[in-house]
Amino acid sequence: DSGVTQTPKHLITATGQRVTLRCSPRSGDLSVYWYQQSLDQGLQFLIQYYNGEERAKGNILERFSAQQFPDLHSELNLSSLELGDSALYFCASSATMNTEAFFGQGTRLTVV
Amino acid sequence: AQTVTQSQPEMSVQEAETVTLSCTYDTSESNYYLFWYKQPPSRQMILVIRQEAYKQQNATENRFSVNFQKAAKSFSLKISDSQLGDTAMYFCAFMKTATNKLIFGTGTLLAVQP
Repeated sequence: DSGVTQTPKHLITATGQRVTLRCSPRSGDLSVYWYQQSLDQGLQFLIQYYNGEERAKGNILERFSAQQFPDLHSELNLSSLELGDSALYFCASSATMNTEAFFGQGTRLTVV
Repeated sequence: AQTVTQSQPEMSVQEAETVTLSCTYDTSESNYYLFWYKQPPSRQMILVIRQEAYKQQNATENRFSVNFQKAAKSFSLKISDSQLGDTAMYFCAFMKTATNKLIFGTGTLLAVQP
């Protein structure tokens, strides 16, 4: 158990819908990252937050957004969902910069 | 931009044998970190080992060790005394200092045979 908690574990939704994925980082970790793992794109970095502020953005679509709350948990919002958004979404956390990231178990999103 | 290449999509090894997974990367940075992550069928991403680029000594964690060749931009993972529980997808990852953004390779699927 990495200490990073993601909910829900599985999510099935229809095209055009909106979903929210939730992540609770390890106790004391200030940095949260979101990654997407799909068959065609592999593991891709989406976005990073550090102590509530956005720090880095990767290949995140405009239909996707994220935030980190004062209690340090984070949410990833995916809207206008398409079939191609079906993937495993990972949250990871780290204490500071330059320390390794620990991953949650992921949320398996299936868009039908 | 940094890239990470894993040229072995699949590998197989007998239990108790040794196997080496290859990884090369491309970067113009001088300070960075390299990682190997393991993803078993449970899908959990598990950190196996970490190497700081400024350290010449190769990192070791129990049965796992790396061969880090900075000039060649090579970072291979050696698994000794392979166990059935080592069966997983292994990802090599690059991280530029002060970014914490991981760039992953495409992975190597390792099967340990009894």
